[in-house]
Amino acid sequence: AQSVTQPDIHITVSEGASLELRCNYSYGATPYLFWYVQSPGQGLQLLLKYFSGDTLVQGIKGFEAEFKRSQSSFNLRKPSVHWSDAAEYFCAVGPPGFQKLVFGTGTRLLVSP
Amino acid sequence: DAGVIQSPRHEVTEMGQEVTLRCKPISGHNSLFWYRQTMMRGLELLIYFNNNVPIDDSGMPEDRFSAKMPNASFSTLKIQPSEPRDSAVYFCASTQGQSNEQFFGPGTRLTVL
Repeated sequence: AQSVTQPDIHITVSEGASLELRCNYSYGATPYLFWYVQSPGQGLQLLLKYFSGDTLVQGIKGFEAEFKRSQSSFNLRKPSVHWSDAAEYFCAVGPPGFQKLVFGTGTRLLVSP
Repeated sequence: DAGVIQSPRHEVTEMGQEVTLRCKPISGHNSLFWYRQTMMRGLELLIYFNNNVPIDDSGMPEDRFSAKMPNASFSTLKIQPSEPRDSAVYFCASTQGQSNEQFFGPGTRLTVL
């Protein structure tokens, strides 16, 4: 069965500092991988996705993520965090060809002045 | 496109009452998902439909919960009778074809007193 682990429940980053949110997955083959962001009181918005090809994928709002097969990881990064990035971030995995996704428990990002 | 539409956005009801949540997926999308989000349990998949047919309802917590999709543009999630522990935010999401990329609605915040 697929599973997703986001080991950090909360992360606090100073505005302007770099960010890395961790995501590890368990799946027998290479799955489709996603990062979603949820602002307070809002639904989930897709930041970026990995299906195949280049292991470094670019997303919206200046985010990127790198797929590392050897580590079963898909970590999300941003070089300089803005106060508006404060939100909850979810990593998700899905088997290719099937619509169902398995979500991680989320990481809440706090941005300090 | 208007995106996934959910109504109502907020619902407050008393224990024992019937609650109906509504969702209109993005036009052309053929899969629809109902999720529940709570602080304790995170984001849980309740049920999903493909071409209006329920595919996986293993996440539906109990018989008090039911979901229908009478046509490609409308789905309902019903709770009867409602209980305080059903209080949560309920999200609807849709996707098309073989894609795992899910588009989320803004959610319905349900409070059962």
